[in-house]
Amino acid sequence: QSVLTQPPSVSAAPGQKVTISCSGSTSNIGNNYVSWYQQLPGTAPKVLIYENNKRPSGIPDRFSGSKSGTSATLGITGLQTGDEADFYCGTWDKSLGAWVFGGGTKLTVL
Amino acid sequence: EVQLLESGGGLVQPGGSLRLSCAASGFTFSTNAMNWVRQAPGKGLEWVSTISSTGANTHYADSVKGRFTISRDSSKNTLFLQMNSLRAEDTAVYYCTRMSSAGWFLDYWGQGTLVTVSS
Repeated sequence: QSVLTQPPSVSAAPGQKVTISCSGSTSNIGNNYVSWYQQLPGTAPKVLIYENNKRPSGIPDRFSGSKSGTSATLGITGLQTGDEADFYCGTWDKSLGAWVFGGGTKLTVL
Repeated sequence: EVQLLESGGGLVQPGGSLRLSCAASGFTFSTNAMNWVRQAPGKGLEWVSTISSTGANTHYADSVKGRFTISRDSSKNTLFLQMNSLRAEDTAVYYCTRMSSAGWFLDYWGQGTLVTVSS
């Protein structure tokens, strides 16, 4: 059971928008920055969002992040079939003294 | 260009040992904390260990504490993970990752090396 809770799967049609939630506690999301990682099939993860809502260079603005209290959300607009991947949220947990990930969410673009 | 290249994975029997290496290039290795993250077949990501930029501080997941040791050699720009008393549940792809110097996130990942623990 992961410290951070994500929905196992989400789906939407091409061109539509989808959001992925990540729920934690005051010892992790509530007091630390959240980052999001995309893992395309058969590849290593890469960072999509850092410090809750910042995008590394090269990441399109179709991807966005937000945080409120002990929850964070990843948003993806203008869905493309190439966006199909597993998405993970992550942050440092002060109480555990450990980096924690969500269980991952599989995105299907129908 | 930042590159992280893992090596050392393979098949090992339960109770055995393995040492993973991660050769880093394209950045000043001694300025970033480094991590190992693993992914069991068909499962999600699991953080394993973190070492500070100087090597003075280390952190471990409870699942590997006392069995795994993370270390780094800045003269060789290499990160290591010594894994002892390996168990079947340690079977996973192990990724070497860099902690961004700008904040708390993992900004670069290697391609991973597969460790299989089986008799």
